[in-house]
Amino acid sequence: AQKITQTQPGMFVQEKEAVTLDCTYDTSDPSYGLFWYKQPSSGEMIFLIYQGSYDQQNATEGRYSLNFQKARKSANLVISASQLGDSAMYFCAMRELFYGGATNKLIFGTGTLLAVQP
Amino acid sequence: GAVVSQHPSRVICKSGTSVKIECRSLDFQATTMFWYRQFPKKSLMLMATSNEGSKATYEQGVEKDKFLINHASLTLSTLTVTSAHPEDSSFYICSAREVGYYSNQPQHFGDGTRLSIL
Repeated sequence: AQKITQTQPGMFVQEKEAVTLDCTYDTSDPSYGLFWYKQPSSGEMIFLIYQGSYDQQNATEGRYSLNFQKARKSANLVISASQLGDSAMYFCAMRELFYGGATNKLIFGTGTLLAVQP
Repeated sequence: GAVVSQHPSRVICKSGTSVKIECRSLDFQATTMFWYRQFPKKSLMLMATSNEGSKATYEQGVEKDKFLINHASLTLSTLTVTSAHPEDSSFYICSAREVGYYSNQPQHFGDGTRLSIL
């Protein structure tokens, strides 16, 4: 069974500094996708970045990058140049991929609450 | 981009009433929709997966008769919390996946419904 672990319940970071949010996962499926979502206090889930298990390079999207270490089964999110608006809950999620399957479930970690300080 | 509309955003009602939450994909067709429940400061827990035109698949521990799911069209899924009680109070959020889905596409989330049962 797939499992996502986020060991940091909360983190502080100074504005303009970089921060790394940890995520480890466990799966027996060789093909999977890893996602990061941001959830502000208003509740909506905002997709940030995706990494496929067969992707050779680490994913990047603007100030977000994913430090993917497949052998260690980790997919840490790096936010560069933190902004006050980055304060939110961040969730790591995983989907096992079986092509053509109809019920690839997205399973979430417990989340990390990030607080950006001025 | 793909938009998922969830309605209502907030519901307060008396114990014993039934509450219906709608999830609509506005600019794409969704063969599969997911319903999640989130307690304060906790992760998203998958409740059920609904596929258009067929019965929903419920996760272990989720009462089918309590949480009725209907996915009658490619753009609409509904969750009905029947005979709601205070312990059903929570944040419910839906998510949708497009027809012709590719594994690296993120699920699109609605903005959630805050349900409070008095």
